[in-house]
Amino acid sequence: DAGITQSPRHKVTETGTPVTLRCHQTENHRYMYWYRQDPGHGLRLIHYSYGVKDTDKGEVSDGYSVSRSKTEDFLLTLESATSSQTSVYFCAISGGTGPGEQYFGPGTRLTVT
Amino acid sequence: SQKIEQNSEALNIQEGKTATLTCNYTNYSPAYLQWYRQDPGRGPVFLLLIRENEKEKRKERLKVTFDTTLKQSLFHITASQPADSATYLCALESAANQGGKLIFGQGTELSVKP
Repeated sequence: DAGITQSPRHKVTETGTPVTLRCHQTENHRYMYWYRQDPGHGLRLIHYSYGVKDTDKGEVSDGYSVSRSKTEDFLLTLESATSSQTSVYFCAISGGTGPGEQYFGPGTRLTVT
Repeated sequence: SQKIEQNSEALNIQEGKTATLTCNYTNYSPAYLQWYRQDPGRGPVFLLLIRENEKEKRKERLKVTFDTTLKQSLFHITASQPADSATYLCALESAANQGGKLIFGQGTELSVKP
């Protein structure tokens, strides 16, 4: 397995609270991604990063922000969690000479009550 | 609008047969298309990548075809085994939207019965 960890693996939080999910990689890959997966929608890209301090929005970025201060860490923050952000969140990485195939972390199950 | 469609109905086949999964897309000009496997409670696992100028790619019992005229990719598993049971996702990156931003289909669940 690619060296990707996500923390926490499970979290229950209340509406209106801030939440930060962490993705950590040991592969020194340039590209990192955050997805959410929901029944009926499949995997949808939230934000991605193409280098330290370089990030861009994905398909469903509203209500989310990201930061990447080191190659190995990519943080996803929900500034004020809502019930619609209840989902399974996956981090992925890709690298080498270009994007190409992505390697996914184990996921974080987030429940907003 | 842009769409990627995979069979939403689960595919049930007998062990030893060939499983064929379909991925259709509209309003994209993909640079390449990828297939992933996802088991319950786990992240997707990369299987194969095929580029727009390639017709077919193989890896062990897996074969992927890519027809840019039909806007379709077929994913085949030959001599299927119960261990192949999983959800299979296709994903593409539009040639007009490089940077690794993949668009995923919703996946097709495959069940291989002994």
